[in-house]
Amino acid sequence: AQTVTQSQPEMSVQEAETVTLSCTYDTSESDYYLFWYKQPPSRQMILVIRQEAYKQQNATENRFSVNFQKAAKSFSLKISDSQLGDAAMYFCAYRSASGTASKLTFGTGTRLQVTL
Amino acid sequence: GAVVSQHPSRVICKSGTSVKIECRSLDFQATTMFWYRQFPKQSLMLMATSNEGSKATYEQGVEKDKFLINHASLTLSTLTVTSAHPEDSSFYICSALSPQLLAKNIQYFGAGTRLSVL
Repeated sequence: AQTVTQSQPEMSVQEAETVTLSCTYDTSESDYYLFWYKQPPSRQMILVIRQEAYKQQNATENRFSVNFQKAAKSFSLKISDSQLGDAAMYFCAYRSASGTASKLTFGTGTRLQVTL
Repeated sequence: GAVVSQHPSRVICKSGTSVKIECRSLDFQATTMFWYRQFPKQSLMLMATSNEGSKATYEQGVEKDKFLINHASLTLSTLTVTSAHPEDSSFYICSALSPQLLAKNIQYFGAGTRLSVL
């Protein structure tokens, strides 16, 4: 079974600064997908960014980028120019590429605080 | 992006009653929906996978007679918590997957339902 580990229960960043959230995973599969989801106080899960394992290029979405290290099974999220609205719980998630509707496996989450 | 509506957002009920939670895909057809449970300050735990027109697949340890799932149409899945007890109090979240979205392998989430059983 796949596992996802987020070793940072809480992180803090000053507004306009950059922060990196860590995520590691364990799998025996070679093809899979990785995601970062954001859960603000409203509890609505929002997709931040996704990465296909077969792609070597790191995904980027505006201020959000990932550092995907397949051999190390690491998938960190970098938030640049942090904004107050970035404060939320961030969950790393894994999905197998096999099967038509494979489930997501979530990490335990990292609570990000953004300070002035 | 795709919109998933979940209703109600909050429900308070007496112990022993049943509660139904609806999950609707508003602008796409969802062949598969997922139901999660989230305890305070914890991650999402998958309860079951719901496929339109067939029986749901429950995760290990989830009582299928306790948590009834119906996915009768391509836009609606329901979760019924039967004979609810205080230990069933939690935050329940649904997500949806469609053939169109499948290529992107993205699940879109509802806003969740907070269930409080007195």
